[in-house]
Amino acid sequence: QSVLTQPPSASGTPGQRVTISCSGSSSNIRRNTVNWYQQLPVTAPKLLINGDNQRPSGVPDRFSGSKSGTSASLAISGLQSEDEADYYCATWDDSLNGWVFGGGTKLTVL
Amino acid sequence: EVQLVDSGGGLVQPGGSLRLSCAASGFTFTSYWMNWVRQRPGKGLEWVANIKQDGSEKNYVDSVKGRFTISRDNAKNSLYLQMNSLRAEDTAVYYCSRSHFDYWGQGTLVIVSS
Repeated sequence: QSVLTQPPSASGTPGQRVTISCSGSSSNIRRNTVNWYQQLPVTAPKLLINGDNQRPSGVPDRFSGSKSGTSASLAISGLQSEDEADYYCATWDDSLNGWVFGGGTKLTVL
Repeated sequence: EVQLVDSGGGLVQPGGSLRLSCAASGFTFTSYWMNWVRQRPGKGLEWVANIKQDGSEKNYVDSVKGRFTISRDNAKNSLYLQMNSLRAEDTAVYYCSRSHFDYWGQGTLVIVSS
């Protein structure tokens, strides 16, 4: 059971907008910034969003992040087939004194 | 170009030990916290440990405390994970990752089995 809760799956058709949620608590998401990662099959994860809503260089602006209270969200607009991957949220937990990841959301492009 | 190269994985019996290494290049190693993250087969990401720039602070996930030790050699731009008393549930791909996980190694597979 992950400290951060994500839906196990999400789906959309090409061109659609999908959102993936990440629910935490006052000891993690409320106090610390959230990052999002994309993991394609059999590859290392890649940073998509850091600092709640900042895109590193090279990440398309189709990807955006937001946070409110103890929850965060990743939105992907203009869905493309190459977006089919696993997505993870992560943040620091002040109570656990460690990083915590969400359980991951498998995105399927129909 | 930032590069992290993981090595040292393999097959080990329960109760055994293994030392993972991560060779860093393309950035100032001494400026960053470093992490180990693992992924069990078919499962999600789990943070394992991190270490401060000068090695003075280390943090571990509860499940590895007392068994795993993270360390670094700043002169060699290298990160290590000494894993002792290994259990079947430690079977995973282990990744080293920089700071807030902005760069990742390619991962090294550890299999704990008799």
